Amino acid sequence: EVQLVESGGGLVQPGGSLRLSCEASGFTFSNYWMSWVRQAPGKGLEWVANIKHDGSEKYYVDSMKGRFTISRDNAKNSLFLQMISLGAEDTAVYYCARVQSSAFHNWFDPWGQGTLVTVSS
Amino acid sequence: DIQMTQSPSSLSASVGDRVTITCRASQSISTDLNWYQQRPGKAPKLLIYAASSLQSGVPSRFSGSGSGTDFTLTISSLQPEDFATYYCQQSYSTLTWTFGQGTKVVIK
Repeated sequence: EVQLVESGGGLVQPGGSLRLSCEASGFTFSNYWMSWVRQAPGKGLEWVANIKHDGSEKYYVDSMKGRFTISRDNAKNSLFLQMISLGAEDTAVYYCARVQSSAFHNWFDPWGQGTLVTVSS
Repeated sequence: DIQMTQSPSSLSASVGDRVTITCRASQSISTDLNWYQQRPGKAPKLLIYAASSLQSGVPSRFSGSGSGTDFTLTISSLQPEDFATYYCQQSYSTLTWTFGQGTKVVIK
């Protein structure tokens, strides 16, 4: 069974840092682009970042460039999101998702269950 | 950046109703459009990819259509488990993707 399990969320003070992890199983992790998507409480989905199979290419939403860093460890089937200078606006559930591709089309499937990040003093 | 606009933002419907949700892109995105369903407290789930391809395991009452800038998700006969929020997402721009704001389907 293909599975993604996030961890690392929690309460962090404004200006603080946090590192999220996503452990993959049930598929060859190193063959896939991976992504982070977040959802603020009561709000819609917001794509955060993508990373290529080997980590050589990374893409971010403009508003998070310089503060968020996506990375991966293919030997450990793990995806990461390092977040710094966190503010209240970063409070959200963070999902990792596999990027599925076919004939130049791309989509997110599956998604993990999410990990909640709360930025508050 | 490509902006995605869904309409309506919410709708009320009854079991058995035919429901249509629209998604409009700020520029042409060919058929690089996906639809997701999110039930309360759950992760999103893929329904439709590449505008009209039904994901394996998704009931055939769900269908997608459109190309260019205008897209539609249709539920042919609404079931109790379909009351959820639906999101469109474009994957046209080179690996910088965006979602619509969501459409919440509630029970009438």
